[in-house]
Amino acid sequence: GDKVKQSPSALSLQEGTNSALRCNFSIAATTVQWFLQNPRGSLINLFYLVPGTKENGRLKSTFNSKESYSTLHIRDAQLEDSGTYFCAAPYGGLSGKLTFGEGTQVTVIS
Amino acid sequence: DAGVTQTPRHEVAEKGQTIILKCEPVSGHNDLFWYRQTKIQGLELLSYFRSKSLMEDGGAFKDRFKAEMLNSSFSTLKIQPTEPKDSAVYLCASSPLGGRGYEQYFGPGTRLTVL
Repeated sequence: GDKVKQSPSALSLQEGTNSALRCNFSIAATTVQWFLQNPRGSLINLFYLVPGTKENGRLKSTFNSKESYSTLHIRDAQLEDSGTYFCAAPYGGLSGKLTFGEGTQVTVIS
Repeated sequence: DAGVTQTPRHEVAEKGQTIILKCEPVSGHNDLFWYRQTKIQGLELLSYFRSKSLMEDGGAFKDRFKAEMLNSSFSTLKIQPTEPKDSAVYLCASSPLGGRGYEQYFGPGTRLTVL
């Protein structure tokens, strides 16, 4: 809900271009996870981050805990990158519960 | 390593029926979560177990939803009686050691349709 805000809500990308998704937190997030929900509905783990940056192929993610945001960069977008991207952060003391953003729906077009 | 498994993948129920969804977490994981996903509400936490103990049973869902974890490798979510508004994707996730900041891994989900 409001604790994790994602932007934009939807994005259309030309194949081969780059883009960035953003996640803003109103909770004191210590870690962040990024997921891709594919058209079949499966939630695929993309990144699990402590403050800092990780890269995996054409994807790169940064988590800045002091400024309470995380970004996910998609480089050289491909058709298979289409889906809904979610960020999530744990909340509730020592609980492992995650609070999710509302998602960014990404459509890559050829 | 096997990931989180969920069965069935699809379920169709008549209003008023009892349905049971099943989840097997990743072997050795300590925390298990049940979520519901709808287009309107997004992802909502239903239940949360740590070492088989129920930590949270998601307030608004207490009424007709009951999650159980009889052993560390198996959990069920019972919905009784089902209503059309329960139509959603039910996702199970597990996490290794519990506590703040451990990565969660999701199963493929069960798509429930209540007629």
